[in-house]
This record gives sequence, C-alpha cells and structure tokens, in this order.
Amino acid sequence: EDQVTQSPEALRLQEGESSSLNCSYTVSGLRGLFWYRQDPGKGPEFLFTLYSAGEEKEKERLKATLTKKESFLHITAPKPEDSATYLCAVQEATSYDKVIFGPGTSLSVIP
Amino acid sequence: NAGVTQTPKFRILKIGQSMTLQCAQDMNHNYMYWYRQDPGMGLKLIYYSVGAGITDKGEVPNGYNVSRSTTEDFPLRLELAAPSQTSVYFCASRPAGVLTITYNEQFFGPGTRLTVL
Repeated sequence: EDQVTQSPEALRLQEGESSSLNCSYTVSGLRGLFWYRQDPGKGPEFLFTLYSAGEEKEKERLKATLTKKESFLHITAPKPEDSATYLCAVQEATSYDKVIFGPGTSLSVIP
Repeated sequence: NAGVTQTPKFRILKIGQSMTLQCAQDMNHNYMYWYRQDPGMGLKLIYYSVGAGITDKGEVPNGYNVSRSTTEDFPLRLELAAPSQTSVYFCASRPAGVLTITYNEQFFGPGTRLTVL
C-alpha cells in the first residue's frame, strides 16, 4: 500500500537554529514529490516539486532534497514567520490525477 | 483572480441534516479536488474531477457526492450528516498538462470547518 509518513510530528526551534524535516514514502514508482506549507486556519500553499533522486530546490531559508525513499526539508536559520505545518505529498508513477499527503510536521520557531 | 473560493467558512449541522459545500475557481483549471483534514491525519481525498462532467472517487468517498457541470464549480454534497464527518474540508484545483508536461501544483481554498452534532 502506498504510504507517506513525516517526522517529527512537531518541532520547536529557537530562532536561528537550523534543522530538517523528513518525509518518507513507499510507492511502486515516483512521479513527483511535493512540499506545501499550511498556516493555521488556511489552506496549504505550494512550496516545491521534486521529480528525481538527487534533485534539490531552494526558496529563501528552505531547501528540499530527494532520495529514492525520502525527502528532507532543510530550514536554515529559521525565523518566527517560518512557523507553520509543512506537508509532504507524493504522486505515484502510474497516477496522473492524484497525490497522497503525509500527516505533516508542525514547526514552531521561538524568538 | 480570486483563486479558489469556498463557502461557507464555518457550519454546524445536526445529525441527519444535509448540506452543500461550495467551491469555485477562476483560473480555468481542469482538475478540481475535495479533501478533508482531520487533526494529525493529513489530507484525505474525497472526490476529484478532471473536467466538466467527469468525476471520480478518492480515498474516502462514503457519505459524500459531487457534480461538475461547469469548469468553475465543484460542489460537495453531504447527505445525512454524521459526527464522523466533522472535519475541515478543502477544495483545490490545478491546470492540466501540456503535451508531456504535468503541472502538479495544487491551489487550495481557505477551507470550510464543519461540525456535526
């Protein structure tokens, strides 16, 4: 069964303290892996798409990387405004229409 | 562009009541989705549509119905509401691909928080 897990469930960082979030997936083949950010009371907002192992994407303090079985979202010198839930989603190779979302990691950055 | 809009923002239903959650997008996207989000469970796909007149079941379709008569609108119908349908509902859309390029970024609405008592 296709599955997406994320760890940790929650992460609390001091401002400026870098860390990484993990997304592990089990699918028979990967068409794409997606990272979204979700602020409280709002819908998810797209961050990155990764297509193949070894690929990296960056945006401000965030960098997403992909291996054959997992993806990492690295947060460098985070600020309080980076506090949000980060969702990972996976599109299986034979699926043109749907993605599977992980449960998310809730990140809190303390000033 | 307003993007993806959802109404209502909040709703309380009694067990057995019915209602329709509205979703509209003004980006001319072919694909539209309905998800529910429960605490700690991520987003679960209820129904999706690849274009007007075409819909298909997702992971958790029981207790829900959809229709897609226009490109812009994708309403979700709850018949005989049950406490298990208490959740936050998100509508999303994305464009279809061009030739071999698939656009997978989904644009989400602000959500509808539904409580069934």
